[in-house]
Amino acid sequence: DAKTTQPPSMDCAEGRAANLPCNHSTISGNEYVYWYRQIHSQGPQYIIHGLKNNETNEMASLIITEDRKSSTLILPHATLRDTAVYYCLRWDAGNMLTFGGGTRLMVKP
Amino acid sequence: DADVTQTPRNRITKTGKRIMLECSQTKGHDRMYWYRQDPGLGLRLIYYSFDVKDINKGEISDGYSVSRQAQAKFSLSLESAIPNQTALYFCATSDLGTGGRDGYTFGSGTRLTVV
Repeated sequence: DAKTTQPPSMDCAEGRAANLPCNHSTISGNEYVYWYRQIHSQGPQYIIHGLKNNETNEMASLIITEDRKSSTLILPHATLRDTAVYYCLRWDAGNMLTFGGGTRLMVKP
Repeated sequence: DADVTQTPRNRITKTGKRIMLECSQTKGHDRMYWYRQDPGLGLRLIYYSFDVKDINKGEISDGYSVSRQAQAKFSLSLESAIPNQTALYFCATSDLGTGGRDGYTFGSGTRLTVV
């Protein structure tokens, strides 16, 4: 049970913002939302995480709804190198990070 | 040097053979994990360890065993390899649950083929 729901695939034009949604409607108050990506068959790479406030780092922004039932990962200016599978995960202190199917993002020229 | 190093990177082995995949880390994290990934699918947890004396089964532990030789080393063994264990194997470390928030750091993976 991955506990999150993501669209299986999305396309984005190079240079445009990529907005990747994630539904985590059963998330509890102490669970963080984590985002990872996996480029081709490399090891997954950490992108960003948050609890309830929006977060931004050099890679992406994370927007979490006020009710925390969903979030959106934003890549502000997608490049071809951002083509990857993006995983949205939940974590609390008692659990593992559980990977679902993720969203396969294709950035097109 | 990589934070999490997996060896070998690629391995072809025969059915019935015993094989060990090794993982070492320089992150200083207590928690280590082994995941398996089949083509087009997400990662599934095989075993995990929260410290040197702790070993726990994950979602798909049958046919596998592990050894946590030190804080920095966590090896995965296939006692008698079978073709449906052909997959990409990832080791990961984390400081989640120990006061850290770094998340997981993954190795580059071992591509195992059982013929």
